[in-house]
Amino acid sequence: AQSVTQPDIHITVSEGASLELRCNYSYGATPYLFWYVQSPGQGLQLLLKYFSGDTLVQGIKGFEAEFKRSQSSFNLRKPSVHWSDAAEYFCAVGARNTDKLIFGTGTRLQVFP
Amino acid sequence: EAGVVQSPRYKIIEKKQPVAFWCNPISGHNTLYWYLQNLGQGPELLIRYENEEAVDDSQLPKDRFSAERLKGVDSTLKIQPAELGDSAVYLCASSLNGAAGELFFGEGSRLTVL
Repeated sequence: AQSVTQPDIHITVSEGASLELRCNYSYGATPYLFWYVQSPGQGLQLLLKYFSGDTLVQGIKGFEAEFKRSQSSFNLRKPSVHWSDAAEYFCAVGARNTDKLIFGTGTRLQVFP
Repeated sequence: EAGVVQSPRYKIIEKKQPVAFWCNPISGHNTLYWYLQNLGQGPELLIRYENEEAVDDSQLPKDRFSAERLKGVDSTLKIQPAELGDSAVYLCASSLNGAAGELFFGEGSRLTVL
C-alpha cells in the first residue's frame, strides 16, 4: 500500500537560513511525488512535482526537491527562507495513471526574523 | 481565472443536525475531489468525480455522507446526521483530466459539531 511519512511535525528556522523538509514514501513502483503548501486558512497549493527524468526538480517560490530512489525520499529544500514561507507543507504520493494522492501528515514551518 | 470556490467557509452545528457543503471547480476541470482534513493531519480522499460519475468513493462513509455532482460542474457534500467526530475541514479540489496530481484546492469549509 502507498504511504507517506513526514518525520518532522514542526520545524523552526531563522529567516535567511536554509531549509530541508523530509519526506519518505512507500510505493511498489516509481510513484508521482508532490509537495504542496498550505498557508493558514488557505487551500493547498502545488509547489512542485516529480514524474520522471531529472531527479532534482524546481518549483515555485524558490523551492526544489530531490528524488532519491535508493532512500525512498523526496526532500524539499530552499537555500534561504523568507518569513512568508511560514506554512504547513505536505508531501504526497500518487499512483501512475491516476489522480489519487496520498498525503503525509504535514510539517509546520515557523520562521523567526 | 477564478479558483475553486467553496461555501460556507465556516459552519457550526449541533450533533445530529444535517450540513451541506458546496463546491464550484475551476472552469473546464472535469475531475473533482472532496477531501477530509482533520486537525494536524494531511487531507484524505473522500470521493472523486470524473464529470458526473463518482469513480472512487471507497473512503466515503455512506451511512451518513452523500455527495452529488449534477451536470458535471458544481458538487455538494452532505452529512446527515453529523457527529462530533465529523468536526474537520472539508476541502474541494479540481483538476484537468489526466493532470496526474496537479490538484487545485479551494480554501475549505471548516465544520464544528457541538
